Formats: sequence, C-alpha cells, structure tokens
Amino acid sequence: DTGVSQDPRHKITKRGQNVTFRCDPISEHNRLYWYRQTLGQGPEFLTYFQNEAQLEKSRLLSDRFSAERPKGSFSTLEIQRTEQGDSAMYLCASSLSDLLGTQYFGPGTRLLVL
Amino acid sequence: KNEVEQSPQNLTAQEGEFITINCSYSVGISALHWLQQHPGGGIVSLFMLSSGKKKHGRLIATINIQEKHSSLHITASHPRDSAVYICAVTSNTGKLIFGQGTTLQVKP
Repeated sequence: DTGVSQDPRHKITKRGQNVTFRCDPISEHNRLYWYRQTLGQGPEFLTYFQNEAQLEKSRLLSDRFSAERPKGSFSTLEIQRTEQGDSAMYLCASSLSDLLGTQYFGPGTRLLVL
Repeated sequence: KNEVEQSPQNLTAQEGEFITINCSYSVGISALHWLQQHPGGGIVSLFMLSSGKKKHGRLIATINIQEKHSSLHITASHPRDSAVYICAVTSNTGKLIFGQGTTLQVKP
C-alpha cells in the first residue's frame, strides 16, 4: 500500500496524559500537512512541513502541541497534557511541493480524551 | 463568517435525483477542491479546479472565479453517493481551508 498511513487509528486517553501520533506520507511527497476535524465540522489546518522544515503553524496549535518531521519523511504530532477539547480526528495529508499538488489524505487518528 | 461556506449543510435525495452542492469563498485562492468523506474518516479528492468545469462520471464541478463560487453536481444519484462532501480552497501557502461539509443521504 503506497498511500498515506497513520498510526494509531484510534486512541483513548485520560485527561492530562500525553499522546503521540505518527504519519507516513507517500514516499516522494515533500509536503506534509496536519489537520484536525471535530464532529460535524470540516477539517481545520494545524501545521505543515516542506521536507523537514515546519513552515506554518495555525493559531489553533497551542504550546501543548508539537509536530516534527525530523528526516523529511514521517511526521509525529504530540499533544501534551491532553484536554477533553482535544478529542477529534487528526488527519495527515501529503503532496508534492507544487502549490497546486493534490493532497492525499491518510485514514486519520481518532482521539478520545476522557 | 467562515472563509469557505457550503450550502446546504444537510441534503436528502431520492435515488436518481440531480443534486447540487454550493460553495462560496471569500479569500484569494490558487485552486478549489471538492472532497468526499465517508463514515470512518477517509477523505478522497474528487476534483481540483482553478477555472471552468470538470466532469468525472456522474460528477460535475464548476467554478466561477469572478463570483468566488463553485458547485458540485451529481447526476442520477445513487445510495452509494451518500457521504459528506467538502469544499476546500488552496491558500497562497498551499494549506487547505475547508468548508463545514454537506452531508448527503440518497435514499433508494
């Protein structure tokens, strides 16, 4: 399977715990995006990488959130001291570096904070 | 006001009906996308448009750049078309700005 993969697919955690999600993009894609989607809403942009450089971060990304893409391949999104409001689907997408490149989405990681 | 607005939010149709979903945007864009999301979360890109009209099977997407408006049409709708349809625009940095989605249910 050469699509975008995300791990885990589901995560249940208690408030205050830290969680980390992983995204493996399509191998030749330079750009990697993280989005968050709450129930009944469209996705919202969190951050994106061009290779290993994090080029843009949303105001939604509080200091409890950190994302990395250390070798320009896979990326991790960590949420520290989770809150119930962090419960959402976290989506990863990748594309070629062309601005108009189609973004290919992973299946998402559904987070539930109890 | 959201930068990307879709209407309607919910739509129920009978099998065979012609369906239209509308999208308006208020920001400068380099492209507009129509995406399909099935229960469980997976998102699939249907169309990317920067002008004019595109057709793929029973799906047609149009965009009017001057009016900042796009429509997605589904001809001869089928229950398997039931999904959430999301309009998104590509900003000048490449990130997508999404509408809130239109939930479509096609009844047999």
